[in-house]
Amino acid sequence: KAGVTQTPRYLIKTRGQQVTLSCSPISGHRSVSWYQQTPGQGLQFLFEYFSETQRNKGNFPGRFSGRQFSNSRSEMNVSTLELGDSALYLCASSPDRLLKAFFGQGTRLTVV
Amino acid sequence: SQQGEEDPQALSIQEGENATMNCSYKTSINNLQWYRQNSGRGLVHLILIRSNEREKHSGRLRVTLDTSKKSSSLLITASRAADTASYFCATLPQGAQKLVFGQGTRLTINP
Repeated sequence: KAGVTQTPRYLIKTRGQQVTLSCSPISGHRSVSWYQQTPGQGLQFLFEYFSETQRNKGNFPGRFSGRQFSNSRSEMNVSTLELGDSALYLCASSPDRLLKAFFGQGTRLTVV
Repeated sequence: SQQGEEDPQALSIQEGENATMNCSYKTSINNLQWYRQNSGRGLVHLILIRSNEREKHSGRLRVTLDTSKKSSSLLITASRAADTASYFCATLPQGAQKLVFGQGTRLTINP
């Protein structure tokens, strides 16, 4: 079985721009979660989608949004990028309810 | 806020020694999980222990859970250079639908 695939792996954007990150979960997994990882804040939960519905959301501003498609693939979007959005963004999939999360390799976003 | 706090933040030992990492959390949980992360990469699931379990083994890993103290420990026996990584505990709080991660322990195995 293929693992969780995140694209792109690396991204450099300018302040004020927007960005879309993609995550393809393991086949059959319907739950997709997104995390932001920074040296100062550690792993912070962004949101979780299950069967195209957002089930849970972390404490991030509205500039962070996401969606899930009928094939369980998920995207997250960050608008009006700020320098502080530079981070490793991790996607995780699981069959349901995060009993065991399978993580992708992450997208390293740098905002300049 | 973070549910889990890990101790120590960094640990450096010689190859062959045992490594112990601790995790404390604040609320009642359904389960607690440990993950490993190699530098700048994704997390790899190591082991899950349910709230009604006290100890679990997987190869060279041993996890304990003390729900009365709201704490867990991860023991890696006979460490190898390849064990060098960051280790995170993650809890699934009761009534919550998301994993909450600790800040992690950076483990370095010296050859």
